[in-house]
Amino acid sequence: GEKVEQHESTLSVREGDSAVINCTYTDTASSYFPWYKQEAGKGLHFVIDIRSNVDRKQSQRLIVLLDKKAKRFSLHITATQPEDSAIYFCAASPDTNAYKVIFGKGTHLHVLP
Amino acid sequence: GGIITQTPKFLIGQEGQKLTLKCQQNFNHDTMYWYRQDSGKGLRLIYYSITENDLQKGDLSEGYDASREKKSSFSLTVTSAQKNEMAVFLCASSAEQFFGPGTRLTVL
Repeated sequence: GEKVEQHESTLSVREGDSAVINCTYTDTASSYFPWYKQEAGKGLHFVIDIRSNVDRKQSQRLIVLLDKKAKRFSLHITATQPEDSAIYFCAASPDTNAYKVIFGKGTHLHVLP
Repeated sequence: GGIITQTPKFLIGQEGQKLTLKCQQNFNHDTMYWYRQDSGKGLRLIYYSITENDLQKGDLSEGYDASREKKSSFSLTVTSAQKNEMAVFLCASSAEQFFGPGTRLTVL
């Protein structure tokens, strides 16, 4: 089945710099790649997604890139702010079962003043 | 907008005890999910349900039962709590994954 690897378990950046979180997946049939943010003591909430028919998507300071050949996708947070500090999860959903979403292990992003 | 509620917020159990966690959503979503979150291991799918009375096993279903009594609610039962177990159980609805705030389980 699908496996999603999230490469950075912890990432620290200075406020105003960019943060990049990288993920890889194994199932070539995966076509939907959402990202979630979890703040301390809370559940996850959706931040941005990308589908396999495009290779880039931007929503304000968030950019997602998808490289289908390398089975790699990444989340770029530009001009980071203290409220960006959280755990970020990447995920992938295979075409064979669109109901199942496989999550990475999470990246704890610290935005330092 | 809708909301997902999970009860209880904190659950303390004894080894071997059967424990039930509840989840309610008012989005009118068809699909609901239960995940277990352990530190450093991400989220692992326990059960999901595509519609009322449907149950599908996830990768971590052993040791758990689930029940989709009606469209708005999805319950998870830990059939026999393991000593020193600590985890957060997250409920979600819709394939787009709207999450509840979680139930934190501690087994003494």
